[in-house]
Amino acid sequence: GEDVEQSLFLSVREGDSSVINCTYTDSSSTYLYWYKQEPGAGLQLLTYIFSNMDMKQDQRLTVLLNKKDKHLSLRIADTQTGDSAIYFCAERSNAGNMLTFGGGTRLMVKP
Amino acid sequence: DTGVSQNPRHKITKRGQNVTFRCDPISEHNRLYWYRQTLGQGPEFLTYFQNEAQLEKSRLLSDRFSAERPKGSFSTLEIQRTEQGDSAMYLCASSSTSQFTDTQYFGPGTRLTVL
Repeated sequence: GEDVEQSLFLSVREGDSSVINCTYTDSSSTYLYWYKQEPGAGLQLLTYIFSNMDMKQDQRLTVLLNKKDKHLSLRIADTQTGDSAIYFCAERSNAGNMLTFGGGTRLMVKP
Repeated sequence: DTGVSQNPRHKITKRGQNVTFRCDPISEHNRLYWYRQTLGQGPEFLTYFQNEAQLEKSRLLSDRFSAERPKGSFSTLEIQRTEQGDSAMYLCASSSTSQFTDTQYFGPGTRLTVL
């Protein structure tokens, strides 16, 4: 079945860039997503990328997709303390409409 | 557009009791999804509806779980004879097939604790 992997934890200083990485196994993925979850809350959609794109930029967020290596990354420029949260990548395949999520990366931003 | 809402936000119940959760999707979204998230994990898909029809169910959805969307608007998820292993956050999401990306938007979740 599909599998999505993320590193567990990332710590950065305020003002630095953060890069959160994700790998997936399903070669039929159509869309890949990044969601943010703050403690006790639901998931907030940050951005998404269609599988035939290499890059997408949205204000402080840059998504890079290497389809050959099945590697997705989210770069947050000028990281702020309010960016501290858990970030999930998710993929949606051609086979169905469900999302398959990674285990999440906890981002800690130090002042 | 008020977003996806879920009720209750928290539910504490004793093992063996039945519980029911409600999800109200974004208006005019025809697809509605249920996911379960246990502590420290990513959400896992349970089931989804397109309008009233339940189109897909995960094998995670045991016989004790049932979901309905009778009029194609709100949905309910019922868990019968709850077990301690059912303790989790239950997330609902909705999307619209009229949007090219059919992106799923999530509600705040219902946290279930089974004692």
